[in-house]
Amino acid sequence: SQTIHQWPATLVQPVGSPLSLECTVEGTSNPNLYWYRQAAGRGLQLLFYSVGIGQISSEVPQNLSASRPQDRQFILSSKKLLLSDSGFYLCAWSTQGGFAPQHFGDGTRLSIL
Amino acid sequence: LAKTTQPISMDSYEGQEVNITCSHNNIATNDYITWYQQFPSQGPRFIIQGYKTKVTNEVASLFIPADRKSSTLSLPRVSLSDTAVYYCLGNNAGNMLTFGGGTRLMVKP
Repeated sequence: SQTIHQWPATLVQPVGSPLSLECTVEGTSNPNLYWYRQAAGRGLQLLFYSVGIGQISSEVPQNLSASRPQDRQFILSSKKLLLSDSGFYLCAWSTQGGFAPQHFGDGTRLSIL
Repeated sequence: LAKTTQPISMDSYEGQEVNITCSHNNIATNDYITWYQQFPSQGPRFIIQGYKTKVTNEVASLFIPADRKSSTLSLPRVSLSDTAVYYCLGNNAGNMLTFGGGTRLMVKP
């Protein structure tokens, strides 16, 4: 069966520090991969998605970036965090092709001080 | 992508059937309707997806009328553990999901 792992579960970072959140998927090949952010009490906002290694599409311009160095690895990064980057970050995967359900990880709660 | 509108919150009691209706007046011909459930501090979980008429699985039923401008998620005999936020989304062939605020369902004993 397929599983998705995100780490860390929680993270507290000072303003201006770098960020690296990692997501890996097991049990499937060539998945679509997604990064979302959720503000408190709000719906999810799609940040990045990837249909293959090295292929990244950005939905929202900001100081975050994403990379996909391996087929089942998706990384969310920042060189300098802002206070507004606080939130709940979720990684998801789906099979290729339209309409496939997305499967989410347990998320990383990021607090910027 | 279809813009969806749902009630902000609903209350129910254990053992009751809960119906959550979602409006999507501008749904495109190739959009599917997908529902997710989210518990606090967890990622959303896929519940059910449909295009029209009725779809049923072990968790819920989804009713979509012929005009497809709305849909209703039906949860039979809810329990306390069904307390969560439920999201209705339009899902096109590009599989880009746009999450709204969802419906907060509170199940009381």
